Amino acid sequence: AQKVTQAQTEISVVEKEDVTLDCVYETRDTTYYLFWYKQPPSGELVFLIRRNSFDEQNEISGRYSWNFQKSTSSFNFTITASQVVDSAVYFCALSPEETSGSRLTFGEGTQLTVNP
Amino acid sequence: NAGVTQTPKFQVLKTGQSMTLQCAQDMNHEYMSWYRQDPGMGLRLIHYSVGAGITDQGEVPNGYNVSRSTTEDFPLRLLSAAPSQTSVYFCASSYSTVQPPQHFGDGTRLSIL
Repeated sequence: AQKVTQAQTEISVVEKEDVTLDCVYETRDTTYYLFWYKQPPSGELVFLIRRNSFDEQNEISGRYSWNFQKSTSSFNFTITASQVVDSAVYFCALSPEETSGSRLTFGEGTQLTVNP
Repeated sequence: NAGVTQTPKFQVLKTGQSMTLQCAQDMNHEYMSWYRQDPGMGLRLIHYSVGAGITDQGEVPNGYNVSRSTTEDFPLRLLSAAPSQTSVYFCASSYSTVQPPQHFGDGTRLSIL
């Protein structure tokens, strides 16, 4: 069975602060994929990143960065210099490799509020 | 959301009624899926399809039925609505099973009284 835990239900920061969203996962699979999605107040789901379990390199995309640590089963997401537009619910998700994105197990989400 | 269209956007049903949530995509995607989103529980997979004529159950399939007669359409049927099915439903699609669902519909907010 797979499980994704996002222990932070809500986070509130002031604009320009850095913020890290935690994601811890459980799986018996030796290979798997991890994902992050963003759900802004408008409700749509926006794909942010996919990471293969073989690739433990950190990734940076603009103000976003992801830290994958297999040893601690974590895939944390950091927003640098946060902006009001970053306010959203962020979901971490997990999928077995053989099905890749076809069977996602989502965490409960973290509501991020960035105040001006 | 361009590419994946869900209808209706809102619906209120009475317990025991049946209805179909529509999902259509015009990107020739093989893979389509349905998720439900409940407060504090993230999204949970209901059913998915890897191509026309092929469907399979996800994590929470009970009370729902699907079919995939064409590549474009993947309707979700509630056979006999129950209050526990009150939720926001999302349809998703991707080019193949090796790609994550990158295209989600805007969601259908369903209330069962």
